[in-house]
Amino acid sequence: QTVVTQEPSLTVSPGGTVTLTCASSTGAVTSGYYPNWFQQKPGQAPRALIYSTSSKHSWTPARFSGSLLGGKAALTLSGVQPEDEAEYYCLLYHGGGRVFGGGTKLTVL
Amino acid sequence: QVQLQESGPGLVKPSETLSLTCTVSSGSINNYYWNWIRQPPGKGLEWIGYIYNSGSTNYNPSLKSRVTISVDMSKNQFSLTLTSVTAADTAVYYCARERSAGMEYWGPGTLVTVSS
Repeated sequence: QTVVTQEPSLTVSPGGTVTLTCASSTGAVTSGYYPNWFQQKPGQAPRALIYSTSSKHSWTPARFSGSLLGGKAALTLSGVQPEDEAEYYCLLYHGGGRVFGGGTKLTVL
Repeated sequence: QVQLQESGPGLVKPSETLSLTCTVSSGSINNYYWNWIRQPPGKGLEWIGYIYNSGSTNYNPSLKSRVTISVDMSKNQFSLTLTSVTAADTAVYYCARERSAGMEYWGPGTLVTVSS
């Protein structure tokens, strides 16, 4: 079965920029995998941030952006805020199904 | 504003069947993908499956033999059934609406514990 891999953890300073990535065991991630990104804080449901690689929901803060980078899906946070500390999950569409990545714990320090 | 709410028993015995319902408030249940996702305590998200337009379904291959997702359009609800549960099925279960390749709205989740 397809495995989707994310960095287990990343640390960023307030005001800084950080990029999280999402790789597929089947090869390069393309727009046809419709990458989604979600933010989850402790005790809360995931909140959708990005869909179809780079499209934002109406509630997505402008500092979040999605892209494809070096064969992976990427989520970039620019001007990181303390409230951005959370777990981030990517989701890829594979052969009609959906597969989540293992998540990246982002620490703002 | 679309709202989703999961409901069902919080405790299920091993080898029995887990049944959950997701109630959708505001808007039609037509023309969307309705997903179930779960998250074991302290672990990551796992996609379970979806139903589309009351008929078309797709399930995670690792769960396919035990999962059924159905919809009741008259009640604006869709449901999850998972048979022969074990402790490994203990998780928070979420329902989510998907549109245009984006899983946009999620319910708050409900914890289901499998224990005798």
